[in-house]
Amino acid sequence: DAGVTQSPTHLIKTRGQQVTLRCSPKSGHDTVSWYQQALGQGPQFIFQYYEEEERQRGNFPDRFSGHQFPNYSSELNVNALLLGDSALYLCASSGTQETQYFGPGTRLLVL
Amino acid sequence: AQKVTQAQTEISVVEKEDVTLDCVYETRDTTYYLFWYKQPPSGELVFLIRRNSFDEQNEISGRYSWNFQKSTSSFNFTITASQVVDSAVYFCALSGPRDSSYKLIFGSGTRLLVRP
Repeated sequence: DAGVTQSPTHLIKTRGQQVTLRCSPKSGHDTVSWYQQALGQGPQFIFQYYEEEERQRGNFPDRFSGHQFPNYSSELNVNALLLGDSALYLCASSGTQETQYFGPGTRLLVL
Repeated sequence: AQKVTQAQTEISVVEKEDVTLDCVYETRDTTYYLFWYKQPPSGELVFLIRRNSFDEQNEISGRYSWNFQKSTSSFNFTITASQVVDSAVYFCALSGPRDSSYKLIFGSGTRLLVRP
């Protein structure tokens, strides 16, 4: 039973560029949430996707957008990258229960 | 507003010592869920336990145990006979009821170092 997978594992971008991160949920899960974890801090909720719609959003600017596909996989897009966007981006999936299971994350470095 | 406080930034113990990680939460919801996750150096958050607000029974799983007390809004985590493999950052998290989409509010984490 495959867990949550994310790609790529690491990414280096420069300021002003755009980035797309990808996530495949755990088998049987239909909900995907994205979190940003800055160094030394706890993860912060970005948004959640269910039935291909953004169901809830955290306190992040519109530069952060997402998408969910019919197979429940998801993408996180960040436009006009800032140095402060450097972080570990975590994807979590969940099903009918409340527990979210996390993937290994994508480490993004913005130079 | 929901908030999770983990006052212990870092704890260092010698192997086989018992250690307790503290977690205090704030919420106005009557239905809520509490979680503990472990984050090893690889970065992946590993789910350890979920507790709902109506179940104050303490739980034990091997060397791990959890003490949930609504009266003090605390959900503490104890590792008995710690091992080097327990070294990681541990996060306590809170989520609200279904209409909040169960989004997780995390504490700032406690880094546990278990020395041989």
